[in-house]
Amino acid sequence: TQLLEQSPQFLSIQEGENLTVYCNSSSVFSSLQWYRQEPGEGPVLLVTVVTGGEVKKLKRLTFQFGDARKDSSLHITAAQPGDTGLYLCAGGGAGNNRKLIWGLGTSLAVNP
Amino acid sequence: EAQVTQNPRYLITVTGKKLTVTCSQNMNHEYMSWYRQDPGLGLRQIYYSMNVEVTDKGDVPEGYKVSRKEKRNFPLILESPSPNQTSLYFCASNRAGGKNSPLHFGNGTRLTVT
Repeated sequence: TQLLEQSPQFLSIQEGENLTVYCNSSSVFSSLQWYRQEPGEGPVLLVTVVTGGEVKKLKRLTFQFGDARKDSSLHITAAQPGDTGLYLCAGGGAGNNRKLIWGLGTSLAVNP
Repeated sequence: EAQVTQNPRYLITVTGKKLTVTCSQNMNHEYMSWYRQDPGLGLRQIYYSMNVEVTDKGDVPEGYKVSRKEKRNFPLILESPSPNQTSLYFCASNRAGGKNSPLHFGNGTRLTVT
């Protein structure tokens, strides 16, 4: 069974701090998607990474896919209150498996 | 505007009273799915549909039914709701169900079964 573990589960920081959240597995994924979910809303896609070692940047957010495609990280520079939310990672199966495997999420609170 | 629309946003009902949660998407997506989200358990897929008249069970299908008579609509039916189905439900759609195709989620339906 493929599993995705996200850490930390909860994170509360002050505005302006940097942070990194992790998404780890013992399984290989063909791709890794990161979503952000705000209270009262559905998850919204931030980025998809597909190549081992790939790094993508979205303003102050930097996403990296591990070389072996088993893990990923999300780094936020100078966090702002608007970054508050639940960050979810979802892995796409290798081969013909089309199902997404979801992590439980990292709940981030950025305090002014 | 491209979107997935769920209704209702909030629903309180009693055990055994049949209910339907509607979902509609305007992006001509082939693939639609239903998830429930519970604290400590994350997002779990209930049912999915790869196209009209093609549906299949996800990870937690017990107590739920779906239908896909039209491409844009994918209602979730609870024939006899029970308290353990109290949850936050999301409908999602994407193109062709590909492993790299991003999911577009609705804004959720918070269901309470007493």
